[in-house]
Amino acid sequence: GAVVSQHPSRVICKSGTSVKIECRSLDFQATTMFWYRQFPKQSLMLMATSNEGSKATYEQGVEKDKFLINHASLTLSTLTVTSAHPEDSSFYICSASGADRPYEQYFGPGTRLTVT
Amino acid sequence: GDSVTQMEGPVTLSEEAFLTINCTYTATGYPSLFWYVQYPGEGLQLLLKATKADDKGSNKGFEATYRKETTSFHLEKGSVQVSDSAVYFCALVPSPGGYQKVTFGTGTKLQVIP
Repeated sequence: GAVVSQHPSRVICKSGTSVKIECRSLDFQATTMFWYRQFPKQSLMLMATSNEGSKATYEQGVEKDKFLINHASLTLSTLTVTSAHPEDSSFYICSASGADRPYEQYFGPGTRLTVT
Repeated sequence: GDSVTQMEGPVTLSEEAFLTINCTYTATGYPSLFWYVQYPGEGLQLLLKATKADDKGSNKGFEATYRKETTSFHLEKGSVQVSDSAVYFCALVPSPGGYQKVTFGTGTKLQVIP
């Protein structure tokens, strides 16, 4: 149980375009979803936290207008990188937690974004 | 603030060797502690967890004991395999019972050679 999927697993886009990444909880209701960014050989950096039906809470230094997060249902959150630039290239990972064990996060497999 | 400190890697071991990856933490109260594993090109998988002092988490031959007196949660395995090669992250959540931000260590890369 507690499976989280992400789509796509890899995406290449041109500079200036927008790209959307989906995060789904497959077998539980995710009351809270998280988006992380991981730089090469580094730990995960929390970008934002979203609760279903509410606006996302962004961490300091993360541009909310550039990284749009939507958590429209208890099983789906999306991250849209707007007007992407090469420096946005990274590994993006989502995680989700449910109401029954809110302190435990289940991670998706990650999405490798390359902006050319 | 809360923090997690892991031993720096990479750690290179021969197959069947004993593994220890040290992890210490700083937090108020009684945090929950976790070890996650990340295989190349993949997301994080929960390896094991402990939610209170003296709890031992175990999975796939890996073990870690929550030591409040030394604020540690060291990861151990008696005999590593090549398939254990991955990056291991120690993490904490400040307290159970409600959402709190996860604090990750910097990760320790393990390489197991045949």
